[in-house]
Amino acid sequence: EAQVTQNPRYLITVTGKKLTVTCSQNMNHEYMSWYRQDPGLGLRQIYYSMNVEVTDKGDVPEGYKVSRKEKRNFPLILESPSPNQTSLYFCASSLSGRNNYGYTFGSGTRLTVV
Amino acid sequence: QQQVKQSPQSLIVQKGGISIINCAYENTAFDYFPWYQQFPGKGPALLIAIRPDVSEKKEGRFTISFNKSAKQFSLHIMDSQPGDSATYFCAASRNAGNMLTFGGGTRLMVKP
Repeated sequence: EAQVTQNPRYLITVTGKKLTVTCSQNMNHEYMSWYRQDPGLGLRQIYYSMNVEVTDKGDVPEGYKVSRKEKRNFPLILESPSPNQTSLYFCASSLSGRNNYGYTFGSGTRLTVV
Repeated sequence: QQQVKQSPQSLIVQKGGISIINCAYENTAFDYFPWYQQFPGKGPALLIAIRPDVSEKKEGRFTISFNKSAKQFSLHIMDSQPGDSATYFCAASRNAGNMLTFGGGTRLMVKP
C-alpha cells in the first residue's frame, strides 16, 4: 500500500531533551515536507526537500532540523524542544516539487513538550 | 500573517444541504489551489484542486469556484452527508508547488 509512515504517533517529552520524528514513504516520491498543525492556524510548513541532500526552510523552521540522506526518509529533529513546539506534526510527500501534484500525508505525530 | 484566509472556522449543515467554505489569498503568484479533507486522527487528503485558468471545477458533489479578480475561491459540497463531517483546508501554491500554504481550516458537521 502506498503510504507515508510517521513514528511515533504520540510523544510526550521534557524541555530540552533531543528527539527525532521519523518519516518514510514507499512511493519513490522526490518531494517531502514537514508541517505542524495548530488550531486556527491550519498547517504551516517547517521544512521541505526537493530531493536527496536538497532541503530548504518553510515558514516556521526555527527550532527544527531535517536531513534527507535517502529518498524514502525525511526525519524531523528537535535538538532542544520547548513547550511552544507542542503541536500535531505531519509529514507529506509528492511525486515532484517542480509541478503541482497532490500531497500524501502521514497520519500525524502528536507531540507534547512539558 | 496568513497568506490564505479561510472562513468560517466551523460550519453546521443539515443532511442534504449545501456546505460552502470560502478562502481568500493575497499573493497573485499563486497558481494552484487545492482543497484537503481531514478526518479525526488522520492526515489531510487531497479532495479537489483548480488552476486559475478556469472558474469552476466539479467532481461529484464537490465543486470549486474560483474568482481570480477577487482573489477568492470556495468549496461547495452539494447534498451534504454525515460522512462529509471533517475538517477542510484550502491551500495555495506558487513556484511549481514546492511551498503549499494552507488556510486555517473549517470544521464541518453535517447533522443527520
